[in-house]
Amino acid sequence: ELKVEQNPLFLSMQEGKNYTIYCNYSTTSDRLYWYRQDPGKSLESLFVLLSNGAVKQEGRLMASLDTKARLSTLHITAAVHDLSATYFCAGREGAQKLVFGQGTRLTINP
Amino acid sequence: DVKVTQSSRYLVKRTGEKVFLECVQDMDHENMFWYRQDPGLGLRLIYFSYDVKMKEKGDIPEGYSVSREKKERFSLILESASTSQTSMYLCASHGPGGAYNEQFFGPGTRLTVL
Repeated sequence: ELKVEQNPLFLSMQEGKNYTIYCNYSTTSDRLYWYRQDPGKSLESLFVLLSNGAVKQEGRLMASLDTKARLSTLHITAAVHDLSATYFCAGREGAQKLVFGQGTRLTINP
Repeated sequence: DVKVTQSSRYLVKRTGEKVFLECVQDMDHENMFWYRQDPGLGLRLIYFSYDVKMKEKGDIPEGYSVSREKKERFSLILESASTSQTSMYLCASHGPGGAYNEQFFGPGTRLTVL
């Protein structure tokens, strides 16, 4: 049974700083997803990582995957207030099912 | 763009009522999902469906049932609502195959059971 854990669960940071959100998963998952959720809104897909060593970047966000360590990271560079949101990672179990982490609530202060 | 819509954004019901949550997607996706989202617990899968009239239990199916009579529509039913079912409910869909198979989410229904 796949289990996904994120840390930290809450993160408050200053604008301009760098930080990383970690996503560990318990068993093999052939892909890893990152989603963003703004308050009161639904989930928006950010990245899908398919293979070991995969790295994807969009603006100030960069996601990577290490399948041997069963670890994915979401790195925030020079944070800006607009990135304040809750970020979820999810692994895939079977052909259809996604298993989500608890979410990391990120607050970026001016 | 994929569009997933849910019938209500906010819903208030009384304990014991039968509650229907509707989800419609417009991309001819085979697979549809119902999750509930609670603080600190992330998203938990209630039920999913991989074809019309087909359904599979997720991780927390107790107290819920589903119906999929048409490909584009997936309904979540609370037979007798309880206060423990107060939550945000999210519907999602995805299509077959493809490299990414990401799920697309609806806006959510915040259900309060009094």
